[in-house]
This record gives sequence, C-alpha cells and structure tokens, in this order.
Amino acid sequence: DGGITQSPKYLFRKEGQNVTLSCEQNLNHDAMYWYRQDPGQGLRLIYYSQIVNDFQKGDIAEGYSVSREKKESFPLTVTSAQKNPTAFYLCASMRREGLGEQYFGPGTRLTVT
Amino acid sequence: GQQVMQIPQYQHVQEGEDFTTYCNSSTTLSNIQWYKQRPGGHPVFLIQLVKSGEVKKQKRLTFQFGEAKKNSSLHITATQTTDVGTYFCAEQNSGGSNYKLTFGKGTLLTVNP
Repeated sequence: DGGITQSPKYLFRKEGQNVTLSCEQNLNHDAMYWYRQDPGQGLRLIYYSQIVNDFQKGDIAEGYSVSREKKESFPLTVTSAQKNPTAFYLCASMRREGLGEQYFGPGTRLTVT
Repeated sequence: GQQVMQIPQYQHVQEGEDFTTYCNSSTTLSNIQWYKQRPGGHPVFLIQLVKSGEVKKQKRLTFQFGEAKKNSSLHITATQTTDVGTYFCAEQNSGGSNYKLTFGKGTLLTVNP
C-alpha cells in the first residue's frame, strides 16, 4: 500500500523537552509538508520541502526545525522554543510536476504539559 | 500572507437538507482545491478547479469556481450523515510558489439524522 505514515498517533511530553515527529512516504513524491492544526484555525504551514536536502519556512516556522536527508522522510522537531506546542500535526506530500493534490498522513496529536 | 476566507465556520443541518460552503479571496486565485476531513481524521482531497467559471460535480457534491476566480463554493444536495466533517478550500501557488497551499479555516458540517 502506498501512503504516508506518521508515528506515533499520540505523543505526550513535558514542557521544555524537544520532540521529533516522524513522517515517511512511499509515494515517490518530491515535495513534503508539515502543517499544524488547532481548533477553528484550519491548517497552517510550518515547513515544506520541494526536494531532498532543501526546505523552506512556512507561515509559522518559529520553534520548529526539519530535515530532509532522504526523499521518503521529513521529520519535524518541536523545540522547547515553541510557545504553544500542543496541537495536531499533519504531514503531507505532493508530486513535484505541475498542479496536484496533497496526500496527508493520519497525523500526530502532541500534548505538552 | 495571502488568505482565503471561508464561511460559514459551522453549519448544522437536518439529514436531507442542502449545504453550501463558500471560499472568498480579495485577489485572483490561481486555482482552488477542496478537501474533506472527517472527525478525528486527516484531510482528503476532493477536487481541483482551475478555469474561470468552472463547475464540477461528484454525485451529490457540486463545486464552482467564480468567473473572476476570486471565489468558490461547494454545495451538497440532500445531505447524509456520511457527509459530516470539515470542508476546507485551499489555494495552490500562493505567494508565487507552485508548492504551497493556503487553506481556509474550514466549515464544520454536522448532520442530524
């Protein structure tokens, strides 16, 4: 089955700790994305990557970091500098060529206390 | 950044009633995508509209792109309980990037059986 996997589904951390969320895709897509979803706020773009070893900040990148060492993987680190890290995090991917849809993973719900 | 405004934020209907959500922009949109997110789930692509005045149908769902490409709508005829979820519009090519999507805040549809 082709798709996007995110793990874990639920994640709990203490305030002040960095945490890394996993995102893997086997769709052979070039572009990958991280979104944050809060109630009533829609989806806000954190970071995106068009190609391996390259990534760009989205609209709310502060307090987050990413890497893109492999085409299949785009991990997101939520650092202690992120003031309100509790949220639902969605990873997505898209083919590079032309206009196209984004495919989303199942998401990781992060709770920081 | 560029925004697409989506209304209403919430809509509750009786099963069998129609439902419409609207997406508006102050600037010309390059194209519009629509996604559906079931409660507890992740967004799933429904359709993409590119041409001015375009109308596309998927069974009970009708999607329209305005003549000026500044607005779009999703209309569901005779809602069913399976239609429950949040419907998002999203503009691709926002900010000059072919890879970025800017999402509206979504319309949460609930259906009373």
